[in-house]
Amino acid sequence: EAQVTQNPRYLITVTGKKLTVTCSQNMNHEYMSWYRQDPGLGLRQIYYSMNVEVTDKGDVPEGYKVSRKEKRNFPLILESPSPNQTSLYFCASSSQQGGGNTEAFFGQGTRLTVV
Amino acid sequence: QKEVEQNSGPLSVPEGAIASLNCTYSDRGSQSFFWYRQYSGKSPELIMFIYSNGDKEDGRFTAQLNKASQYVSLLIRDSQPSDSATYLCAVGRRSNYQLIWGAGTKLIIKP
Repeated sequence: EAQVTQNPRYLITVTGKKLTVTCSQNMNHEYMSWYRQDPGLGLRQIYYSMNVEVTDKGDVPEGYKVSRKEKRNFPLILESPSPNQTSLYFCASSSQQGGGNTEAFFGQGTRLTVV
Repeated sequence: QKEVEQNSGPLSVPEGAIASLNCTYSDRGSQSFFWYRQYSGKSPELIMFIYSNGDKEDGRFTAQLNKASQYVSLLIRDSQPSDSATYLCAVGRRSNYQLIWGAGTKLIIKP
């Protein structure tokens, strides 16, 4: 079954304690990205990766890091989380065909609370 | 101006009627357009994509694209209460494959 798997689904942490949210896809997609979703603001892209070892900032990258050492995995790292990073996070992957993106497949989401 | 704009709603439509959702975008070079449905707290799921001007139909859903006017719309015929959700418009940026998302329109289907 084609899927994007995020873990954990829910996380409560304290300010400053480093955390990693994992994301893995089994569709051999080149393109992966991380979004955060906040009420009234829609999906905002944090980072994206067009292939292994190729990552770039999205619209709201401050306070986040990513890596893409393997095609299937794209972890999101918060080195020193702050309360303003409390949000619902989604990982997504898609294939690049014909010069454009095809359907984006989303993970189940990670609801992060930083206290 | 936001790159992709949607009316946030809520849009209230009687059951059985046609729901019309609209989206405008600013990048004239955009080539791929997507409509996603998202239930509260859940992941977005793809409803339709459209690449060419005109209409594209899939069951009760029709996507309409007008590149000259830079808008894309989604029509839902015979609306059902289960269609109540937030509908997200996404536009593919040609330069780097990024998907740019609208903030979504909340649709409520009244029984």
